[in-house]
Amino acid sequence: SYELTQPLSVSVALGQTARITCGGNNIGSKNVHWYQQKPGQAPVLVVYRDNNRPSGIPERFSGFNSGITATLTISRAQADDEADYYCQVWDTNTHVVFGGGTKLTVL
Amino acid sequence: QVQLRESGPGLVKPSATLSLTCTVSGSSVNSGSYYWSWMRQSPGKGLEWIGYIYYSGTTNYNPSLKSRVSISIDTSKNQFSLKLTSVAAADTATYYCARLKFSGKYYDYWGQGTLVTVSS
Repeated sequence: SYELTQPLSVSVALGQTARITCGGNNIGSKNVHWYQQKPGQAPVLVVYRDNNRPSGIPERFSGFNSGITATLTISRAQADDEADYYCQVWDTNTHVVFGGGTKLTVL
Repeated sequence: QVQLRESGPGLVKPSATLSLTCTVSGSSVNSGSYYWSWMRQSPGKGLEWIGYIYYSGTTNYNPSLKSRVSISIDTSKNQFSLKLTSVAAADTATYYCARLKFSGKYYDYWGQGTLVTVSS
């Protein structure tokens, strides 16, 4: 079955840039989507199809799929960005696959 | 505005069947543009996909749960439902329903989630 690998945690200083990675076999052939989940809340889509933002998501959130790794970049990190972040893809065999999640800490 | 809301018992006994319903407003479950899906999240853990149903009734389930899961759809009530049989403590989790876009295969709307505890 297809698997996605994320770092357990990432730390970023306030106002700096955070990068969260998502790895998987031949990930470049897939569309990668990213969700933000704050404690006690449902996940929220922040990037879809590698690098698209839903309406209402700040431009500070961006995505890139290099073919080796997909990356969610959060520029000018704010305290409110502190959350868990999950990547997700659709696999022909496994269908919906989530990464294990990354806890972002804003210092 | 699209809204999804989960409902069902918050406490289920071991070996019993967990039943949840997701009521959708602002979008039709009878649309070919979406899959209707269930996920869960055990306390302190990550997201786990359970399965989805299409308006036609086509379903797909996580292989690890397939023998115990069924998802159904009621277009007249604009709802879809989850049944998970033979539950155990490991099934204690927050259960989410969500809308999966057919074209992009991503979740654009989620319910608030409902905590289901399996305990005697």
